Amino acid sequence: GAVVSQHPSWVICKSGTSVKIECRSLDFQATTMFWYRQFPKQSLMLMATSNEGSKATYEQGVEKDKFLINHASLTLSTLTVTSAHPEDSSFYICSARRSGSSYNEQFFGPGTRLTVL
Amino acid sequence: DAKTTQPTSMDCAEGRAANLPCNHSTISGNEYVYWYRQIHSQGPQYIIHGLKNNETNEMASLIITEDRKSSTLILPHATLRDTAVYYCIVRGNTDKLIFGTGTRLQVFP
Repeated sequence: GAVVSQHPSWVICKSGTSVKIECRSLDFQATTMFWYRQFPKQSLMLMATSNEGSKATYEQGVEKDKFLINHASLTLSTLTVTSAHPEDSSFYICSARRSGSSYNEQFFGPGTRLTVL
Repeated sequence: DAKTTQPTSMDCAEGRAANLPCNHSTISGNEYVYWYRQIHSQGPQYIIHGLKNNETNEMASLIITEDRKSSTLILPHATLRDTAVYYCIVRGNTDKLIFGTGTRLQVFP
């Protein structure tokens, strides 16, 4: 089966610092990856769509200068939360769409829990 | 993409079938129905999807009404490990999956 990993699985940082989260497709190539955010007891909220070799497309209300996305290869996308504040504390989840799949075959990572003190 | 409506929560006895309904009355002809589930503090897991025919795989069955305005996900023999939030998503000609509030299924012994 297709596996997506995220690193780190959890991170605690001080307010004002930047945090980078990696999303990797381990056994398939992913032209497109997606980043979601989930607050406690809420649903997943799509933040942005990341396409390999091009700029990410952000959803309305998501600050692109705060949430930097880089998708430099077909197996890796990174999300950097810049100048993190306590309100950025959340569960960040990525998904990867298998390149060339006949339908929207998306596989999700296990998530990264970010706590900003 | 069409919006979906699901009950907030449901209970099911272990070993019994869990039937999770989803209303998508504004679905259009080229939109698929997808089901994902999310076990606590994990990433979502794909379950099944369909367009208009009923579908079955090793995890579940998907029953879509003839007018496609609603569907039901069936877990034939629920186990405690099936306790999760189940999301019904309608997706058209886009890569995006937009999650609603889902149904919290609690399987009890």
